[in-house]
Amino acid sequence: DVKVTQSSRYLVKRTGEKVFLECVQDMDHENMFWYRQDPGLGLRLIYFSYDVKMKEKGDIPEGYSVSREKKERFSLILESASTNQTSMYLCASSLSWTQYFGPGTRLLVL
Amino acid sequence: QKEVEQNSGPLSVPEGAIASLNCTYSDRGSQSFFWYRQYSGKSPELIMFIYSNGDKEDGRFTAQLNKASQYVSLLIRDSQPSDSATYLCAVNGNSGGSNYKLTFGKGTLLTVNP
Repeated sequence: DVKVTQSSRYLVKRTGEKVFLECVQDMDHENMFWYRQDPGLGLRLIYFSYDVKMKEKGDIPEGYSVSREKKERFSLILESASTNQTSMYLCASSLSWTQYFGPGTRLLVL
Repeated sequence: QKEVEQNSGPLSVPEGAIASLNCTYSDRGSQSFFWYRQYSGKSPELIMFIYSNGDKEDGRFTAQLNKASQYVSLLIRDSQPSDSATYLCAVNGNSGGSNYKLTFGKGTLLTVNP
């Protein structure tokens, strides 16, 4: 079974803090993705990576950066958290088209 | 801009009925189609994928694809209250290689009433 884990299920941060969300997969997948999910807006792609140190912007990259130093780990960084980044953050990984999701991190920025 | 459209619902069906969930997509070059189920507060989990025109059955679930009409559907037979969830349709782009992105619909909320 594919296993995708995320570092935290719930996180509360203050405006202006730097926030790190980590995602780890154990299936040697090349591709990893970060989404945010908000009511009425669906899943929106923030960034994805198709190889170590390779990344591409998704649909809403502003205010976020990513890091992929090892194949199994993909980190999402909020450089300076803002209240409009309060959301559910979902990581996914894939070998080709089929994506497998982690449990999600619900982030609240106060 | 690739689009995937789903009726947001809620779709309400009685227990034991057939639930029919529909999805249309704009990119005629799309070749892979996915259905995910997402329970409230949880992450999406893959139910089925379909690549070829026609029907694909897996237990109580049947995915139907019509590429000419750019339409994919999910039928759930003998619906159970445990099927109550949001169902997401996802479609690939027409390029592979380093770009295995999916475009997701916003989901249809299904409620199965006992």
